[in-house]
Amino acid sequence: EPEVTQTPSHQVTQMGQEVILHCVPISNHLYFYWYRQILGQKVEFLVSFYNNEISEKSEIFDDQFSVERPDGSNFTLKIRSTKLEDSAMYFCASGGGVLFFGPGTRLTVL
Amino acid sequence: KNEVEQSPQNLTAQEGEFITINCSYSVGISALHWLQQHPGGGIVSLFMLSSGKKKHGRLIATINIQEKHSSLHITASHPRDSAVYICAAQKTSYDKVIFGPGTSLSVIP
Repeated sequence: EPEVTQTPSHQVTQMGQEVILHCVPISNHLYFYWYRQILGQKVEFLVSFYNNEISEKSEIFDDQFSVERPDGSNFTLKIRSTKLEDSAMYFCASGGGVLFFGPGTRLTVL
Repeated sequence: KNEVEQSPQNLTAQEGEFITINCSYSVGISALHWLQQHPGGGIVSLFMLSSGKKKHGRLIATINIQEKHSSLHITASHPRDSAVYICAAQKTSYDKVIFGPGTSLSVIP
């Protein structure tokens, strides 16, 4: 069964450092999404991506965040200068209709 | 006001019980998703509904578009059903999904 993969599973970083979270969506999907879940809170939308550009972004997705699809398979989320409050589980999803979620990357900012 | 609400917030059941989790939403939607999140954090899509009812194994999901309400039922509950169940609304196809707060279910043997 096709699946969305994410790496790393856990990333620990110092405040102010840049991190890049990696996702490999399902190969024939065209729509990609990043969500995050702060511990104990509900899942929040960050950004959606279609046709090599951002189709929608939330208020959370400020200038510190960027997304790229550097090649035909990877979809990355970059946080330029991490803050303590960026600590969360980050989920990548792909699909159209039924959504397929990756297992998540737990980001811990110290 | 949250666009997607769920009840109850927490639910404890004895193994074998019939379980219902409710979801109400305030936005117009093209689809309503039910998702499962296990303690490890991963999210699995259970159902995507736009009308009526769907069944998969012991899980049944229903939606009433006019009332903006959906329910997830679990028949003959089992401890392995213990997880957080999340309702999420999607306004248009391929749009982002708006997550509800989740219902934490614990099934006791």
